[in-house]
Amino acid sequence: AQSVTQLDSQVPVFEEAPVELRCNYSSSVSVYLFWYVQYPNQGLQLLLKYLSGSTLVKGINGFEAEFNKSQTSFHLRKPSVHISDTAEYFCAVCRWEGKSTFGDGTTLTVKP
Amino acid sequence: DVKVTQSSRYLVKRTGEKVFLECVQDMDHENMFWYRQDPGLGLRLIYFSYDVKMKEKGDIPEGYSVSREKKERFSLILESASTNQTSMYLCATYARDATYEQYFGPGTRLTVT
Repeated sequence: AQSVTQLDSQVPVFEEAPVELRCNYSSSVSVYLFWYVQYPNQGLQLLLKYLSGSTLVKGINGFEAEFNKSQTSFHLRKPSVHISDTAEYFCAVCRWEGKSTFGDGTTLTVKP
Repeated sequence: DVKVTQSSRYLVKRTGEKVFLECVQDMDHENMFWYRQDPGLGLRLIYFSYDVKMKEKGDIPEGYSVSREKKERFSLILESASTNQTSMYLCATYARDATYEQYFGPGTRLTVT
């Protein structure tokens, strides 16, 4: 069994401020870790993923995430956000065959 | 680029109707998935298929069935639509290679009245 907890349902932040979206997970088997973004009225788009190797992974649009095995976390960060980053963000764990469990989502609102 | 298309962006159906949601992919991926997305609940897996005519229940299969007669097409069927099936439905494919990525369609927003 696997589960994903996104610790914040809504994160408001001012433009050019740093942001962290938090994600904890649990799984009884090895999984891969993902962050997806969903802009209004669009489908999900992959931001970044952790499969193995370096625990700091970089994604698109300046986002990065750090895999912490001991704390079973995979937090997403960006040092300076833009208005265009306003979207819903989903953390997910994925088994080898693709069966995924998603968190409930975090709505990031960037204010001018 | 992988392309995943869904037959409708918006659909309105009446309670008790049989509803078909179609998903087509063009990348020869073996695995395909159906999720529903509801506010505050994230994405929940309804069914998935790992080959033609093969299917497996996900976390919330009740009230749904699926069909996969061809590799590129995966259909979600609501045998008798109910108002609690009003939701956004997302189809996804998955490449069983080193990328381990899921590719999502644009979604179908279904309203059952």
